[in-house]
Amino acid sequence: ETGVTQTPRHLVMGMTNKKSLKCEQHLGHNAMYWYKQSAKKPLELMFVYNFKEQTENNSVPSRFSPECPNSSHLFLHLHTLQPEDSALYLCASSRSPTGEPFGYTFGSGTRLTVV
Amino acid sequence: AQTVTQSQPEMSVQEAETVTLSCTYDTSESDYYLFWYKQPPSRQMILVIRQEAYKQQNATENRFSVNFQKAAKSFSLKISDSQLGDAAMYFCAYTRGSNYKLTFGKGTLLTVNP
Repeated sequence: ETGVTQTPRHLVMGMTNKKSLKCEQHLGHNAMYWYKQSAKKPLELMFVYNFKEQTENNSVPSRFSPECPNSSHLFLHLHTLQPEDSALYLCASSRSPTGEPFGYTFGSGTRLTVV
Repeated sequence: AQTVTQSQPEMSVQEAETVTLSCTYDTSESDYYLFWYKQPPSRQMILVIRQEAYKQQNATENRFSVNFQKAAKSFSLKISDSQLGDAAMYFCAYTRGSNYKLTFGKGTLLTVNP
């Protein structure tokens, strides 16, 4: 266990379903991230949250809706997805910029399949 | 925009031998951080080694070391005495600093042959 927990580990959903991915960290980190990892592509940043505020949205379609109720929890709400959205969704966290060293801690990801 | 390039999609090495994975990056920043991450089939992204751009000394972590060439914007990873457990996808990554995004390369799949 790395300190960043993602649930569920696997998810199969239809294109008309609504589901949510959950990410939780108790490392005291202040920043949280969603990344999408597709086959044959670099990891794509989706969203960045700093102190619960969204600071970056990397032109993500509105069918992906993030929510960060506090610094320890991050959700990704999914609705009317497309088959090309099938991928591994990784959550990460990092601490505030005070002192060295710092790093990013990743969860094990949610493997999403859209049918 | 920052970019990270890993020119070797796949590499293989014999157990106990040494292998070097290449990474180049592009940035206009003078202060930044570089990482190598390992992702085994378990999907867990594991930090292998970190380098601060302001440090001239190359980082080392046991069998893992880097060759950081700031002027050339090159950041290669050397794995010595390769072990079967080193087999994984290796990603080079760049960031301006904590709370900024990590930009990843496409990865290099490392195979370790017994």
